[in-house]
Amino acid sequence: EDQVTQSPEALRLQEGESSSLNCSYTVSGLRGLFWYRQDPGKGPEFLFTLYSAGEEKEKERLKATLTKKESFLHITAPKPEDSATYLCAVRNRDDKIIFGKGTRLHILP
Amino acid sequence: DSGVTQTPKHLITATGQRVTLRCSPRSGDLSVYWYQQSLDQGLQFLIQYYNGEERAKGNILERFSAQQFPDLHSELNLSSLELGDSALYFCASSVQGHTPEAFFGQGTRLTVV
Repeated sequence: EDQVTQSPEALRLQEGESSSLNCSYTVSGLRGLFWYRQDPGKGPEFLFTLYSAGEEKEKERLKATLTKKESFLHITAPKPEDSATYLCAVRNRDDKIIFGKGTRLHILP
Repeated sequence: DSGVTQTPKHLITATGQRVTLRCSPRSGDLSVYWYQQSLDQGLQFLIQYYNGEERAKGNILERFSAQQFPDLHSELNLSSLELGDSALYFCASSVQGHTPEAFFGQGTRLTVV
């Protein structure tokens, strides 16, 4: 069965303290791995798509990487406004989309 | 503002009832996705439509159905509601069927009492 597991469930960092969020996946025929950010009470906001192992994407303080079994979202020198839940999802060969349960990130000023 | 409009924002209804949630995609987007988000299950993909046709199906219950109309707006119908159907229901849209850059609406919070 296709599944996505994110770790840790929650992470508290000091402002400027870099870290990484993990997304492990098992999927039949990966057709894309996606990262989203979700603020409380709002819909997810698209961040990145990765398609093949070795691919990397960057946006401001965020960098996403992909291997054959997992993806990492690296956060460099985070600021309080980076606090949110980060969601990872995959699309399988049947175009079904499976989301992980997310990592709640809290950046302390 | 993502450009995706969902109505209503909040809905309270009784068990056994039927409700309809509505979604207007961003201008120019042909694909609409429906998701259910609850605290214990996370974000669950329900169904995707592309230009009026069903494109992909997720964990959508038989009590639930959806359609996309010629003007590209979509409706999600939930019937024989149970307490466990209480959740946030999100609609998202994208330009094409395989485009991952989906834009989410603000969601409809459904409470079944």
